[in-house]
Amino acid sequence: QSVLTQPPSASGTPGQRVTLSCSGSSSNIRSNTVNWYQQFPGTAPKLLIYSNDQRPSGVPDRFSGSKSGTSASLAISGLQSEDEADYYCAAWDDSLNGPVFGGGTKLTVL
Amino acid sequence: EVQLVESGGGLVQPGRSLRLSCAASGFTFDDYAMHWVRQAPGKGLEWVSGISWNSRSTGYADSVKGRFTISRDNAKNSLYVQMNSLRPEDTAFYYCAKDAKGTIFGDYRNWGQGTLVTVSS
Repeated sequence: QSVLTQPPSASGTPGQRVTLSCSGSSSNIRSNTVNWYQQFPGTAPKLLIYSNDQRPSGVPDRFSGSKSGTSASLAISGLQSEDEADYYCAAWDDSLNGPVFGGGTKLTVL
Repeated sequence: EVQLVESGGGLVQPGRSLRLSCAASGFTFDDYAMHWVRQAPGKGLEWVSGISWNSRSTGYADSVKGRFTISRDNAKNSLYVQMNSLRPEDTAFYYCAKDAKGTIFGDYRNWGQGTLVTVSS
């Protein structure tokens, strides 16, 4: 059972906009910034979004992050087949005194 | 270019020990906190442990507290984790990850490729 809650799966068609959700609590998402990581099968995770809505260099602007209260979202516009991957949210948890992850969302491009 | 290369994984019997290493390059190692994050096959990510830039602060997940010890050698640009009393549930890919700053925060900017630890008799 992960501290942050993500739907296990999501899907969309090429060109569509999809939004992945991440739900937490006052001790993590409300109080701290959220990161998003992208992971392809058999590879290491890669930072996609940091500090709620910042993109590292090289990440397309089709990816955007937002946070409101105890929830965060990752939006992918202009969905492409190569976006098919697992997506994880993460944040520091003040109660646990450590970083926590969501269980991950497997995104399928139909 | 930041590079993190883990080593030391393998097959180990329950109750035995293993030490993982992570060799870092491409950045000023002693400016940043470092972490170990693991992923059981087919499962999600789990933070294992973190260490501040100067080793004065360390943190552990409850699942490994008292069994795992994180350390670093800034002179060798290396991160380690000593894993004792290993259990089958410790079976996972172990990733070394670089934090965004010197204190433990869990903002993983860079990741290694991972090393697989299998605990089985």
